[in-house]
Amino acid sequence: KQEVTQIPAALSVPEGENLVLNCSFTDSAIYNLQWFRQDPGKGLTSLLLIQSSQREQTSGRLNASLDKSSGRSTLYIAASQPGDSATYLCAVRPDTGTASKLTFGTGTRLQVTL
Amino acid sequence: NAGVMQNPRHLVRRRGQEARLRCSPMKGHSHVYWYRQLPEEGLKFMVYLQKENIIDESGMPKERFSAEFPKEGPSILRIQQVVRGDSAAYFCASSYRQGSSTDTQYFGPGTRLTVL
Repeated sequence: KQEVTQIPAALSVPEGENLVLNCSFTDSAIYNLQWFRQDPGKGLTSLLLIQSSQREQTSGRLNASLDKSSGRSTLYIAASQPGDSATYLCAVRPDTGTASKLTFGTGTRLQVTL
Repeated sequence: NAGVMQNPRHLVRRRGQEARLRCSPMKGHSHVYWYRQLPEEGLKFMVYLQKENIIDESGMPKERFSAEFPKEGPSILRIQQVVRGDSAAYFCASSYRQGSSTDTQYFGPGTRLTVL
């Protein structure tokens, strides 16, 4: 059974700092991995999707890496801003047949202070 | 192109009543997924549907919960005889197709169910 863990559970940083969020998963047989952002009381916004064959993806100030063999992914946020404050979730999709369900971590709650 | 629509956004029910949650996928999407987020927990997969078919319901509780995605109209998640433990945020996601490693699931804003 796939388990996804995110560390740290919460993080507070001053504006302008670079930061790294960690995600680990127990079963390396994944199809892809996604990073999402969730604002309080809102839905999820997809940030980056990394295919199982890829090592990293970049979008603006965000960079996500994937080491499938060791079951790890990181989300790097450069020059953090108060608007980055949210909960960040990683999710993996299994590499089995028609399975499309995502397994989510419990998230990292990020607060960027002025 | 409107995103995934869910309604109602907030739903209050008393124990024993029925709850119906609706999800309209993005235009052109024929795959729908339902997830539940209990307080202070991560999102858990419930069910995956294509038009008129349930593909994977491995995350659905065996009793009181059902889901459908008819040929016409939104997908419906139905919870009969609700209990306090059903209080959660229920999220719907849709995708264009399954089978592509780049196929992103787009999430709706969720329905927050409160059972009194």
